[in-house]
Amino acid sequence: EPEVTQTPSHQVTQMGQEVILRCVPISNHLYFYWYRQILGQKVEFLVSFYNNEISEKSEIFDDQFSVERPDGSNFTLKIRSTKLEDSAMYFCASSEAISQRVSYEQYFGPGTRLTVT
Amino acid sequence: GDSVTQMEGPVTLSEEAFLTINCTYTATGYPSLFWYVQYPGEGLQLLLKATKADDKGSNKGFEATYRKETTSFHLEKGSVQVSDSAVYFCVLSGNTPLVFGKGTRLSVIA
Repeated sequence: EPEVTQTPSHQVTQMGQEVILRCVPISNHLYFYWYRQILGQKVEFLVSFYNNEISEKSEIFDDQFSVERPDGSNFTLKIRSTKLEDSAMYFCASSEAISQRVSYEQYFGPGTRLTVT
Repeated sequence: GDSVTQMEGPVTLSEEAFLTINCTYTATGYPSLFWYVQYPGEGLQLLLKATKADDKGSNKGFEATYRKETTSFHLEKGSVQVSDSAVYFCVLSGNTPLVFGKGTRLSVIA
């Protein structure tokens, strides 16, 4: 069964450093997403991406964040200057299509645990 | 905005016990509702879904019915197993990206 993969599984970085989290979505999917879950809190939407551009983003997704699909398979989340409060589990997801009346399943990766020290 | 409220955990049950995890939602329009499950060390997996009022989603013995009149989507299973131990998320998809509940950790003991 096809699956979303994420690397690394755990990343430790120092405050102020840049990190890139990588995801390989399911190959025929068109929509890509990043979510995050701070320990003990809800899973929160960060950004969605379609046709090589951001289609929607949340208030959390400020200028320190960026996303990119550098080739035909990878989808990356970059955090330019990490802060302590960026420590969280980051989930990538992909889906075939979206519609207001028919919701297609979003397939999630296993997550990358980011620890900022 | 859209929101989901699910019962706080953790929930600890003995094997073969009946499970209910309550979930209520607030949304405009016609949201779809999901339960996602996260087994230890793994990603989020879709457990079941319902796309309109009165739909019943079911999978692996779990069921949830989309109740528009009570804005609820409670998860139930008649007889839980140790392998059901996981975190369960009630999720809404409306005019915004997925909106998650806080998650309910279920531990089933033999």
